[in-house]
Amino acid sequence: ETGVTQSPTHLIKTRGQQVTLRCSSQSGHNTVSWYQQALGQGPQFIFQYYREEENGRGNFPPRFSGLQFPNYSSELNVNALELDDSALYLCASSRGYTGELFFGEGSRLTVL
Amino acid sequence: QQQVKQSPQSLIVQKGGISIINCAYENTAFDYFPWYQQFPGKGPALLIAIRPDVSEKKEGRFTISFNKSAKQFSLHIMDSQPGDSATYFCAASRGDDKIIFGKGTRLHILP
Repeated sequence: ETGVTQSPTHLIKTRGQQVTLRCSSQSGHNTVSWYQQALGQGPQFIFQYYREEENGRGNFPPRFSGLQFPNYSSELNVNALELDDSALYLCASSRGYTGELFFGEGSRLTVL
Repeated sequence: QQQVKQSPQSLIVQKGGISIINCAYENTAFDYFPWYQQFPGKGPALLIAIRPDVSEKKEGRFTISFNKSAKQFSLHIMDSQPGDSATYFCAASRGDDKIIFGKGTRLHILP
């Protein structure tokens, strides 16, 4: 069984640029959630996708957007990057309504 | 508004001792309370979880104690080992996989 994989693992962008992060969910999982983890903090819920539809959103501005594809993989897009967007972005998949999330190792974004 | 408050921020315990991490929540609609363990460079991994219909759950050396009336729950790690050194997050959700995390506790077990 393949776990959750994320790409890229590290990337550096400058303020104002756009970034796309990718996530492949674990086999059999139909729900993908994205979290932002700032250094020394707990993961903050960005949004969740279920069957290609956004299914809940945390306190993040509209420049954070996402997609889920028919194979349940997902993308996180962030436009107009700000310095405070520097963080570890975690993708987690689940079977939905089970309470258990399976996390990838994250994509570490640095905004200069 | 921080919905899950965790303490302490950091903890140092001797090998063989008991590590205790505490959490408090505000939303009475939460019905699932997991603990996640995170090692440096890795994503969080589920350690143990409890639902509010029980007051305690034990898995090996890890125990969750749950106090519904006080809206508090805690993680106890018995016989703590150096390999337990990691960051621990308490969390809560309403069973919809939108899990809210605490800020974390950095645990260091002295050899």
